[in-house]
Amino acid sequence: AQKITQTQPGMFVQEKEAVTLDCTYDTSDPSYGLFWYKQPSSGEMIFLIYQGSYDQQNATEGRYSLNFQKARKSANLVISASQLGDSAMYFCAMRERRGRKAAGNKLTFGGGTRVLVKP
Amino acid sequence: DTAVSQTPKYLVTQMGNDKSIKCEQNLGHDTMYWYKQDSKKFLKIMFSYNNKELIINETVPNRFSPKSPDKAHLNLHINSLELGDSAVYFCASSRNRDGYTFGSGTRLTVV
Repeated sequence: AQKITQTQPGMFVQEKEAVTLDCTYDTSDPSYGLFWYKQPSSGEMIFLIYQGSYDQQNATEGRYSLNFQKARKSANLVISASQLGDSAMYFCAMRERRGRKAAGNKLTFGGGTRVLVKP
Repeated sequence: DTAVSQTPKYLVTQMGNDKSIKCEQNLGHDTMYWYKQDSKKFLKIMFSYNNKELIINETVPNRFSPKSPDKAHLNLHINSLELGDSAVYFCASSRNRDGYTFGSGTRLTVV
């Protein structure tokens, strides 16, 4: 079963507008972390934002914010004031804490959403 | 200063060959990973090492063998390369609850 689901394979957004990228997850682990990464056409993976399962407030990093709805198991990324440079693939990922050994907590990725910002 | 560096960036090779991809991190992280990104952009964990100890070994053909000489290095050796091994391979590192830092990827093309 998919642990991380990104239902939007691709989307267009007008420059300067906000865009929301959907991410839902599935875990029975009470302690987990949610990550968003950006992958531009050059290929590197760029960390954007992190939300811990026990964090009381939604994470924000500059123009990026995470709309964390724990009961719904969703962690949507909001990009405000889109720029042309935001055109990229965006990946949601989850780290589950397995046992007492923190090491080895792999990131499980969703299938990604391709965003194209139009001028 | 590159935090996680992997070489080579591009690798084109014939079926049946053996090749290695090297990864080094200078972040002082104690866990390193190899991920594979297929042609549909899906990323999947292959291996993780913590202080030179293998922690995760997902369902990967035994033609793939990771080697960690020390906690700053995690190399990936692939024997008898097949067409289906063509992908982008990412090295990453982390320290416990910190974020993960990825290398720039190695695009492997098997012809």
